[in-house]
Amino acid sequence: SQQGEEDPQALSIQEGENATMNCSYKTSINNLQWYRQNSGRGLVHLILIRSNEREKHSGRLRVTLDTSKKSSSLLITASRAADTASYFCATDPDTGRRALTFGSGTRLQVQP
Amino acid sequence: EADIYQTPRYLVIGTGKKITLECSQTMGHDKMYWYQQDPGMELHLIHYSYGVNSTEKGDLSSESTVSRIRTEHFPLTLESARPSHTSQYLCASSVVQNIQYFGAGTRLSVL
Repeated sequence: SQQGEEDPQALSIQEGENATMNCSYKTSINNLQWYRQNSGRGLVHLILIRSNEREKHSGRLRVTLDTSKKSSSLLITASRAADTASYFCATDPDTGRRALTFGSGTRLQVQP
Repeated sequence: EADIYQTPRYLVIGTGKKITLECSQTMGHDKMYWYQQDPGMELHLIHYSYGVNSTEKGDLSSESTVSRIRTEHFPLTLESARPSHTSQYLCASSVVQNIQYFGAGTRLSVL
């Protein structure tokens, strides 16, 4: 079963607004990653945060990680219509199988 | 866009047919993966490989098989397709910190 749970499942906002997505996971991790998927396409890596980091920025993206609560959030600031996509978190476990476990995804719709 | 290619992009076949979904990458990555994803839903890992002649089953029980004879090539085969196999199949590869690079996917419909 998938480790990550994402919240909300779907989000609709206006252009210019900020979008926040949350991810929870269950096991110890090396890192947590966020990916974006446009409809009918493969996933594209956005940003990675290591387990010893608490916050990371990349352009309009801000990611936080709280390992004590086993949760992460992705903030997209000043959203654009082109940000419309599904966003997935993925955890890289620090024991056992070294394959990512993906969350259930948040479908973001940015209205122009 | 990453240098990982999947063919075909779309495939419609009849029940009972044998099919092979192709996946190739030119980045020299050792790790490769196959995921199954229904539209708008989560990804399920069905197979992965850490290198040549290394393959493992993933989380989702699958009637497919894979092979890894060359680093760059990781084909997935369904011996006898069924309507329950209708889905999107995504191939990925990774190297540093398990960051994954995905192909565009194969959308399979089994009638």
